[in-house]
Amino acid sequence: DAKTTQPPSMDCAEGRAANLPCNHSTISGNEYVYWYRQIHSQGPQYIIHGLKNNETNEMASLIITEDRKSSTLILPHATLRDTAVYYCIVSPLLAYNTDKLIFGTGTRLQVFP
Amino acid sequence: AAGVIQSPRHLIKEKRETATLKCYPIPRHDTVYWYQQGPGQDPQFLISFYEKMQSDKGSIPDRFSAQQFSDYHSELNMSSLELGDSALYFCASSGPGGPEAFFGQGTRLTVV
Repeated sequence: DAKTTQPPSMDCAEGRAANLPCNHSTISGNEYVYWYRQIHSQGPQYIIHGLKNNETNEMASLIITEDRKSSTLILPHATLRDTAVYYCIVSPLLAYNTDKLIFGTGTRLQVFP
Repeated sequence: AAGVIQSPRHLIKEKRETATLKCYPIPRHDTVYWYQQGPGQDPQFLISFYEKMQSDKGSIPDRFSAQQFSDYHSELNMSSLELGDSALYFCASSGPGGPEAFFGQGTRLTVV
């Protein structure tokens, strides 16, 4: 079962920052927070992941609370093309080939003009 | 950059027929995952392979089987198809170069 809780839907105005929250109160010490998104039936797209430090890449920023029980994905300047379902997933690091991504229900982000 | 390739992209089969879905992982990726996404649902993990051995199993029906070959491509075989098997099937791969999994564009299976 998914170990995360996300709001089912959110709206964001184009050009504004989209802040997507995720609760993962039962996260284990060796589990990372991964974010993926799925744009209308396309394959899920990797966005970012982190363990305990805040992370930033060309797509987004990930803010993880100090107790690691929640996190926020930030899209700094949302565009219409960011409209998608966003999934927050906790998992051990996939590089060790013994784990998999378990998708929960995600947040449907609608970016409007 | 090379991505995960799935074939076919679309497949229509009749009930009780058999289907084979193929997945070609990113070069040098040694782990393959299969997911099923029904209409209006979230992706559900089916099965995974690491170095040609099954590494984990999820909610995969007994009618389905899969394997990973020596060139690391994988095939998902589905027999005695039912209407409820109609779904998007995604393959993903990961490897020693990075901790994330990359997904293909999926195969849309329609059972009529």
